[in-house]
Amino acid sequence: DSGVTQTPKHLITATGQRVTLRCSPRSGDLSVYWYQQSLDQGLQFLIQYYNGEERAKGNILERFSAQQFPDLHSELNLSSLELGDSALYFCASSVSGRALSGYTFGSGTRLTVV
Amino acid sequence: AQSVTQPDIHITVSEGASLELRCNYSYGATPYLFWYVQSPGQGLQLLLKYFSGDTLVQGIKGFEAEFKRSQSSFNLRKPSVHWSDAAEYFCAVVGGSGNTPLVFGKGTRLSVIA
Repeated sequence: DSGVTQTPKHLITATGQRVTLRCSPRSGDLSVYWYQQSLDQGLQFLIQYYNGEERAKGNILERFSAQQFPDLHSELNLSSLELGDSALYFCASSVSGRALSGYTFGSGTRLTVV
Repeated sequence: AQSVTQPDIHITVSEGASLELRCNYSYGATPYLFWYVQSPGQGLQLLLKYFSGDTLVQGIKGFEAEFKRSQSSFNLRKPSVHWSDAAEYFCAVVGGSGNTPLVFGKGTRLSVIA
């Protein structure tokens, strides 16, 4: 157990639907990162939050949004889902907002859009 | 912007044989480099990292990596592979002061045969 909790582990939904992925960071970590892993694109950075504020944005679609709550857990919202959104979504956390402090990854949420 | 190339998509080695996984980075200055491992159904785990100093770094599980500035490389090595090393390996880079999120390569899948 890495200390980063992601729920649900698996999600199957239809095209056009909206889903919410949840991440609880390791205790004491202030920063949360979301990554999308697909076979063709590899691990793509989506967005980072630090202590409730958006810190960095990557290749995140406009249909996707995220937030970090006062208790530091984070949610990634995916809407108007398309088949191509099927992927493994990882959350990682770190103590500071710097990559140098190291990331701790959750075990991911596998999203299947049918 | 920084980037990482892992030239080998899939490598198969015999148990007990030595291993070298290649990683080339693109960044104008000295980067910060990482190797992560992803076992099936798991999140990514940090194996080792290079920030500065000694160019040969030791990690967990008997892995080591060598930073070669002249070749823009950070190859991962292990003298004797165990069957439990079968996994996906990711090289990652961050530049600047480390305030930007990690950029990952597309990974190398390692298979170990008896």
